[in-house]
Amino acid sequence: GAGVSQTPSNKVTEKGKYVELRCDPISGHTALYWYRQSLGQGPEFLIYFQGTGAADDSGLPNDRFFAVRPEGSVSTLKIQRTERGDSAVYLCASSNALGLAEYNEQFFGPGTRLTVL
Amino acid sequence: DQQVKQNSPSLSVQEGRISILNCDYTNSMFDYFLWYKKYPAEGPTFLISISSIKDKNEDGRFTVFLNKSAKHLSLHIVPSQPGDSAVYFCAASSNFGNEKLTFGTGTRLTIIP
Repeated sequence: GAGVSQTPSNKVTEKGKYVELRCDPISGHTALYWYRQSLGQGPEFLIYFQGTGAADDSGLPNDRFFAVRPEGSVSTLKIQRTERGDSAVYLCASSNALGLAEYNEQFFGPGTRLTVL
Repeated sequence: DQQVKQNSPSLSVQEGRISILNCDYTNSMFDYFLWYKKYPAEGPTFLISISSIKDKNEDGRFTVFLNKSAKHLSLHIVPSQPGDSAVYFCAASSNFGNEKLTFGTGTRLTIIP
C-alpha cells in the first residue's frame, strides 16, 4: 500500500505568516509522529499522537506550534507567526504501535521543506 | 543537551570493505536503539534495531553491537556496497521504540567503488 505522504513538499513563506503542513499516515496506523530536521542536524521530536489525542507534545518549541489529528488519521501541523528559525524539513512518521512489548517501525514520509524568508 | 551523539560527520570506505559507524548516548532510560538510513529528499528508512537486553543483532550485511556499560553502539556493514552511500542516523527510545525517537546528528557514509 501507499506510504506516508506529506503535502506540500516545499513551502516558502514570509516571516510572520501562518502555515499548515499536512501528513497522511499509512492506513490503519494508530500512532503518528512529527519531527523537525534542521540543516546538519538529526530529526528532532515535536509531538506524538496515539489515535486522536496527543500522547506527548513535549517537543513543541513554543505556543506558536500546534498540531491536530481530529479523526485519528490525517494530521496537520500549524505554525503561527513564522520566524526565520522555523526553516527546516518537517517530517511525519506513522506506526502501528499499540503499546505492546514489541517494536513497531516508524515509517517516515519524505518531509515538507519549509523556508521562512 | 545532545543525548545521542555521532561524532563522525562523514566516513569514506572502499567497496567490499567493512564500514563501522559509531554512536554514543547519555540517557540511561533508553532501552531501544535503532539505525536509520536517509537518502537526499527522502524520509529516513529503518535499517536495524537492538533492545537493551541484547548486545548484538544481525540482519544480512548489517550488524548492530550494543555496549551498555559504555553507552555505545555501532553499526557494521560488510561488505560495503555503493548503494550503501547515504546518511546514517542513530536513534534511541524507550518502551521498545514505541515512543519518540531521539536522533543523533548523522554520519554521511560514502562507498568508493
